Amino acid sequence: NAGVTQTPKFRILKIGQSMTLQCAQDMNHNYMYWYRQDPGMGLKLIYYSVGAGITDKGEVPNGYNVSRSTTEDFPLRLELAAPSQTSVYFCASSSKDRGQNTEAFFGQGTRLTVV
Amino acid sequence: RKEVEQDPGPFNVPEGATVAFNCTYSNSASQSFFWYRQDCRKEPKLLMSVYSSGNEDGRFTAQLNRASQYISLLIRDSKLSDSATYLCVVPGRRANYGQNFVFGPGTRLSVLP
Repeated sequence: NAGVTQTPKFRILKIGQSMTLQCAQDMNHNYMYWYRQDPGMGLKLIYYSVGAGITDKGEVPNGYNVSRSTTEDFPLRLELAAPSQTSVYFCASSSKDRGQNTEAFFGQGTRLTVV
Repeated sequence: RKEVEQDPGPFNVPEGATVAFNCTYSNSASQSFFWYRQDCRKEPKLLMSVYSSGNEDGRFTAQLNRASQYISLLIRDSKLSDSATYLCVVPGRRANYGQNFVFGPGTRLSVLP
């Protein structure tokens, strides 16, 4: 089972460049999330989605955009990369069971460095 | 009050020790709670869900206290392989538009030989 797949695993960007972090899940989960984790720090929610066509901002959305055209895919777009966006990015997905949150499954992360 | 807070750590314990972590949350409507484990430079992985009646999985025991709004994780007979950061997870406050998870800052555990 693939679970949550993120690509690329590593990337170095120059300031001002753009890129898209890909995330796909094969568990038919409605809920998907993007987090960033800076060194030695906790996870911060960037954006999340409750289903295809529906997204919402998290705690730190500035500088990012998302889309959710299908249940499976939830790409994260960086338009003008800045050094402050150097971080590890995790995509996750989850579902509901009888109205209760089920666990979140994470991808392996994308390590992004902006120079 | 922050949505979720954890013991700041780090906890440095010898092998075989028993260690307990606490986590407090502010959203009294929270229903689903989890403990995750995160190894260095890896993604978080579910350690265990936390049920109202408390639950045990081998050397790990999770407890929920709704009245005081905290959950705990007890690790007995610590192993070197238990060294990791333990994340407390509760639902966020976006109940009107779906939900998201709120991850605590994590408590780092180092089990020493």
